[in-house]
Amino acid sequence: DAMVIQNPRYQVTQFGKPVTLSCSQTLNHNVMYWYQQKSSQAPKLLFHYYDKDFNNEADTPDNFQSRRPNTSFCFLDIRSPGLGDAAMYLCATTSRATDTQYFGPGTRLTVL
Amino acid sequence: TQLLEQSPQFLSIQEGENLTVYCNSSSVFSSLQWYRQEPGEGPVLLVTVVTGGEVKKLKRLTFQFGDARKDSSLHITAAQPGDTGLYLCAGVGNEKLTFGTGTRLTIIP
Repeated sequence: DAMVIQNPRYQVTQFGKPVTLSCSQTLNHNVMYWYQQKSSQAPKLLFHYYDKDFNNEADTPDNFQSRRPNTSFCFLDIRSPGLGDAAMYLCATTSRATDTQYFGPGTRLTVL
Repeated sequence: TQLLEQSPQFLSIQEGENLTVYCNSSSVFSSLQWYRQEPGEGPVLLVTVVTGGEVKKLKRLTFQFGDARKDSSLHITAAQPGDTGLYLCAGVGNEKLTFGTGTRLTIIP
């Protein structure tokens, strides 16, 4: 059974057109993460939530925003996608009690 | 900024050969994890090593954590095509992972 679900798996948007990626989890974990992974590179942390506390990485562009309306769901909003934002976006969760992060399958974003 | 360097960056070997991937950092981590990621999927955790000098085995995979908890290695014995993928080490600290630069492994049948 899928524990971290990301929708859609593939998303195509146009340059400058806002897009929202979603993540849901059935693990009831407190912490949720969003990563950006470009081709052949390691995942790069954008931000994370501990419960409702939002933690932004210092080098995450303002173009990227996030919402976490409840424990199960987290959204990544890209306000004005540029060509350089084309990437795989990964969601992950963890319980405070452990360090294991469970990753979703990712959403591959294409910007035309 | 903590940085984990992996080597080699790319590795292509024949089925049945052995290989070692290295993960090195100037920082000490409370623990270190290894992930494997297949194309179009998220990373999947293989192992967590916690104690300096610790060795863990997962079938044909052997993971070692350096004594100073700054480096780690992954050794695969008798590689198989199913081992193909992107291998990522990740340092654990402050509820965040710092990923290594990655090793893309291809096993040729």
